[in-house]
Amino acid sequence: TQLLEQSPQFLSIQEGENLTVYCNSSSVFSSLQWYRQEPGEGPVLLVTVVTGGEVKKLKRLTFQFGDARKDSSLHITAAQPGDTGLYLCAGARNQGGKLIFGQGTELSVKP
Amino acid sequence: DAGITQSPRHKVTETGTPVTLRCHQTENHRYMYWYRQDPGHGLRLIHYSYGVKDTDKGEVSDGYSVSRSKTEDFLLTLESATSSQTSVYFCAISATSVSYNEQFFGPGTRLTVL
Repeated sequence: TQLLEQSPQFLSIQEGENLTVYCNSSSVFSSLQWYRQEPGEGPVLLVTVVTGGEVKKLKRLTFQFGDARKDSSLHITAAQPGDTGLYLCAGARNQGGKLIFGQGTELSVKP
Repeated sequence: DAGITQSPRHKVTETGTPVTLRCHQTENHRYMYWYRQDPGHGLRLIHYSYGVKDTDKGEVSDGYSVSRSKTEDFLLTLESATSSQTSVYFCAISATSVSYNEQFFGPGTRLTVL
């Protein structure tokens, strides 16, 4: 059972376009993390959101946690080829630090 | 970068053979995790450890065992490898179990079971 559904699973866009990745669940999470993974490497944390409705910005990336803490989104403005990679959302439920990961969104930004 | 190494980085083995993957950290973090990554499934937790000799099962623990005799080392063993265990395996560490605590991941081990 996939508790965190990410969409879309694949996204191919041109440089300069905007995009949004969604992470949805029917369960409440105490926090939600977004990771980025490049080929042949492990995931690296981008951001953690903790409070319902919270918005965090990291340069051209905007992360939002849903009011009910069941969903989150990642918006990238003016995507660049360097944004190419696998984006993973992960929810935590106050159970020994265990994370539940979404399936991932594979983003390709073409120059 | 967090000091996490995994060995071996690549391994090809045959069905029915035992396999042990090693995760080594130099951060003295208490919590360690083993995940597997497969297309369409993201990362799934196999086992985790919350201290030396303290381990517990994750969501896909069948066919896997773990051991942690030292803070810095967390071993994942496939007692009798099967083709369904072909995957990329990641080790992760964290300092605390607080829900918003960052997990640092190793570079992964690509395992192929023929």
